[in-house]
Formats: sequence, structure tokens, C-alpha cells
Amino acid sequence: SAVISQKPSRDICQRGTSLTIQCQVDSQVTMMFWYRQQPGQSLTLIATANQGSEATYESGFVIDKFPISRPNLTFSTLTVSNMSPEDSSIYLCSVVGHPYGETQYFGPGTRLLVL
Amino acid sequence: RKEVEQDPGPFNVPEGATVAFNCTYSNSASQSFFWYRQDCRKEPKLLMSVYSSGNEDGRFTAQLNRASQYISLLIRDSKLSDSATYLCVVNLGTNAGKSTFGDGTTLTVKP
Repeated sequence: SAVISQKPSRDICQRGTSLTIQCQVDSQVTMMFWYRQQPGQSLTLIATANQGSEATYESGFVIDKFPISRPNLTFSTLTVSNMSPEDSSIYLCSVVGHPYGETQYFGPGTRLLVL
Repeated sequence: RKEVEQDPGPFNVPEGATVAFNCTYSNSASQSFFWYRQDCRKEPKLLMSVYSSGNEDGRFTAQLNRASQYISLLIRDSKLSDSATYLCVVNLGTNAGKSTFGDGTTLTVKP
């Protein structure tokens, strides 16, 4: 199974600031995603992180607010920009595809609280 | 209508009970189906894949009905450790990328 780490594991931030979350996978992986899980809710896909090109964003999410980088097949970052209390959530990195097959694996998540 | 809909729950059952969760999906092109388990303050983890022929893993049985676009999960002889949120997950197929998650059904097993 995939071994995925995320940094930071949690943070408390002031509104108007930005936070960059890192995701590291133990193997080169085909697909990486970023999800958000707000309190008491299920997972919402933010975007697909594409290696060497711009991320593909889902409806309701834009690059200016959630810039994503994926410089190689094992690493990605998600930035939450100009944060507001509504951005308080858990942000999860996820991988699927070669070499892990169809099973989707998740990182431990980053708990963000915006004051 | 949501792409993946689950029983809203919560389910509160005594130890030893049998409990069933239901899930429906709207995209008939969906090819891969899963049940994930998410413990409180943890990330989701794969519980089992779901196949048309049905599959069983110990006390857990998953069924898929493609005609009705319906997935189920049956847990027999519930344990306290089964308490968690169970997520129904649907994907367009291997390497098709992103999955769609249901809102989850919360199970609490009580002594």
C-alpha cells in the first residue's frame, strides 16, 4: 500500500494569510488529488494535481484560491490562499493508479483552523 | 440529485447485531465500487472493493446490483471496533482517476 505523508499535520492561521500543505508519496504514482473534508461532511474533491502542468480544478474551486504544484510524481503542494474561517477544514492528499492499482489511498490529512 | 447517495444514518446497534448499509449511484458508466471506512479524526481507508458477483471478507459482505445501480455492505456480528463512518465510493474505472464519495453512514456499536 501507499505510504503518504503530509506536512503540516495541523495549523492555526490568521485570516488573510496563506498556508502551503505538502504531500509526499513513497513511490512514483500516476494520479494525485487534493480533497477537502469539512466538519461532519464527506470528502470534496478540490483538484487533480498534474505532473508538470496546471492542476485540473473541480467546480467551485479556482487556481487563485488553491494553487497546486506537482513538480514530480511523488510530491505535490496545495496552497490555501487569503484564508477565511470558512476554509477551516481537513485537507487530504490522495493517490490512485500505478503502481497501486485502483485502490485510492489517502494521506493523514492537514487540519486547518482559520481564526 | 447527488452522484452517490447513502443511508443518512446514524446507525446505533448492539454488539453482535447485523447491520446493512445501502448506497445508490447515478452514473451508469461507473465501473469500480468500494467501501471505505473512516475513523474519527483519521483519513479514509479501503475496507473492501465491491464486485458484481458479490464478495465477502470475514464478517463483511458487499453486493453490487448494476441494473439498479445499488451497492450494499452487510456487517455481521458487529464489534465495538466496527464503530466508524462508512463511505460508499464510485469510480469510472481503473486509472480513470477521481472517485466520487458518498456522504457516509455513521455506525456506533454499543456494548
